[in-house]
Amino acid sequence: KAGVTQTPRYLIKTRGQQVTLSCSPISGHRSVSWYQQTPGQGLQFLFEYFSETQRNKGNFPGRFSGRQFSNSRSEMNVSTLELGDSALYLCASSYFEGGDGYTFGSGTRLTVV
Amino acid sequence: AQTVTQSQPEMSVQEAETVTLSCTYDTSESDYYLFWYKQPPSRQMILVIRQEAYKQQNATENRFSVNFQKAAKSFSLKISDSQLGDAAMYFCAYRSGVPGTYKYIFGTGTRLKVLA
Repeated sequence: KAGVTQTPRYLIKTRGQQVTLSCSPISGHRSVSWYQQTPGQGLQFLFEYFSETQRNKGNFPGRFSGRQFSNSRSEMNVSTLELGDSALYLCASSYFEGGDGYTFGSGTRLTVV
Repeated sequence: AQTVTQSQPEMSVQEAETVTLSCTYDTSESDYYLFWYKQPPSRQMILVIRQEAYKQQNATENRFSVNFQKAAKSFSLKISDSQLGDAAMYFCAYRSGVPGTYKYIFGTGTRLKVLA
């Protein structure tokens, strides 16, 4: 059974650019959540999607957006990148909304220069 | 707002010994979940154990067990017979049971070192 797949694993972008990260959940999982992990702020919730609808959103600026497709795959977009957006972005999936224990992917390491 | 506190930034344990990682949380809710996740250098967060707040019995998963003290809002993780592969960052997490607020709130983590 394939796990949660995040692509790409590593990404280097320049300030002002935009970036799209992809997440394929475990087959059958309908909930996908995104988290940002940094040494200073730790793990912070970005948003959760369930059945193509955003169910919950964290305290991030509007530059951070996401969507979920009918096959449950999700993308996260960050526009007008800032140096502070450098982080590990983790995607997690679960069958139920919220889940009783996510399965995480290995993350995308984004570096903004 | 809910908070999760892990007061031990780093812990060390001898191989085959037992170690306990601490976690406290604050909430006014009665329905919630608590989790311990492990993050090895590979970066992938791995679910170690979960506890539903309404269950009084402490959860166990092989060598991993929790001491859930609901009144004290404490949720510690005990690792028995520690192995080298247990070395990792351990995060305690809280999830509300209120629909529409299902985000996980993580503690700052405890780095566990296992000494051979």
